[in-house]
Amino acid sequence: NAGVTQTPKFQVLKTGQSMTLQCAQDMNHNSMYWYRQDPGMGLRLIYYSASEGTTDKGEVPNGYNVSRLNKREFSLRLESAAPSQTSVYFCASRGTTSGTAGELFFGEGSRLTVL
Amino acid sequence: GQSLEQPSEVTAVEGAIVQMNCTYQTSGFYGLSWYQQHDGGAPTFLSYNALDGLEETGRFSSFLSRSDSYGYLLLQELQMKDSASYFCAVRDSGGYQKVTFGIGTKLQVIP
Repeated sequence: NAGVTQTPKFQVLKTGQSMTLQCAQDMNHNSMYWYRQDPGMGLRLIYYSASEGTTDKGEVPNGYNVSRLNKREFSLRLESAAPSQTSVYFCASRGTTSGTAGELFFGEGSRLTVL
Repeated sequence: GQSLEQPSEVTAVEGAIVQMNCTYQTSGFYGLSWYQQHDGGAPTFLSYNALDGLEETGRFSSFLSRSDSYGYLLLQELQMKDSASYFCAVRDSGGYQKVTFGIGTKLQVIP
């Protein structure tokens, strides 16, 4: 039972390059999230998806796009990477049944450096 | 919008009890969660309060007062492995799937 799987785990980009972070969950969860974490800043919400086919902006969406490909997969794309996007990115999912509504399940994180 | 406040750092002695507070402001409210994160790791879920009162899970307890927009996480019988960052997070009713995190409290447990 893999839970939430993110790829790649590490990536180095040059300014202006593009890339996509992939996320997949096998828990049949409706909601999925992308966060970034910078030192001293906690976890900041980039985008989230309440269900397949819907996406919404979080606190820091500028410079990112997302796709909810199906119920399992939620990808994050950087179209033109900037050094300010150097961060650790976490994908998470959440069930909506009464026993799981309060819990986010996180992937291991993707560490991105933009030079 | 939403905002959450947590103390940035707390130091406590092994075997003791520590309380970490969280105050929040949201446009609506569904529940308050707590997560633990060790350096270099991913956040892991500890507890969730949707209603006022205390929830207990082993050495960890979490409290919520919705009227005060306040909650805390209580750790008992502290162990060295409890040294980590602890985040509170709110699920709000304005776009009710949205989950917003505080900046976290870094707990250092000393011998």
